[in-house]
Amino acid sequence: AQSVAQPEDQVNVAEGNPLTVKCTYSVSGNPYLFWYVQYPNRGLQFLLKYITGDNLVKGSYGFEAEFNKSQTSFHLKKPSALVSDSALYFCAVTSGNNLFFGTGTRLTVIP
Amino acid sequence: EAQVTQNPRYLITVTGKKLTVTCSQNMNHEYMSWYRQDPGLGLRQIYYSMNVEVTDKGDVPEGYKVSRKEKRNFPLILESPSPNQTSLYFCASSFTTSGSYNEQFFGPGTRLTVL
Repeated sequence: AQSVAQPEDQVNVAEGNPLTVKCTYSVSGNPYLFWYVQYPNRGLQFLLKYITGDNLVKGSYGFEAEFNKSQTSFHLKKPSALVSDSALYFCAVTSGNNLFFGTGTRLTVIP
Repeated sequence: EAQVTQNPRYLITVTGKKLTVTCSQNMNHEYMSWYRQDPGLGLRQIYYSMNVEVTDKGDVPEGYKVSRKEKRNFPLILESPSPNQTSLYFCASSFTTSGSYNEQFFGPGTRLTVL
């Protein structure tokens, strides 16, 4: 069965510090992996995706994600956090025509 | 402006009273999908459509119906809503028939409360 795990419900980081939001997955075959962000009272917005190739994927707003096949992980990273990065982040994996989401991680960047 | 719109944005109803949540996109996308978002559960896919007149079940289809008579519209129908369908609903679209492999564009959400 396909699944996505985001082990941290909440991540706090100081402004200017690097941030990591963790994601692990379980899927048969080669995964397509995504990160989406949700700001308050808004729909989800696409950040980045991994299909194949380079394990480091760069996306919107300075975010990047590292795909690690051996650890079945796809962690979201940013070198220097901004207060405006505070939001709810979702990892997702495709299986067939379905998209499975993790439970979300709330990121709070402290000024 | 390219967008996915949903109506209504907020709805309070009573058990058993049929309702429809509309979804429309202006990007000529083939793929459309409905999700519900619940605390601690993330987003779960209800139904999806790969093109006009082509729909299929997602992860949690029970109690819901959809139709895709036109490319731009994908309404979600609750024939007999129950309190366990109280949730935040999102419609999304994507530009190919393999929409789950591509970036999806999400609507603003519909918060439904069933009393």
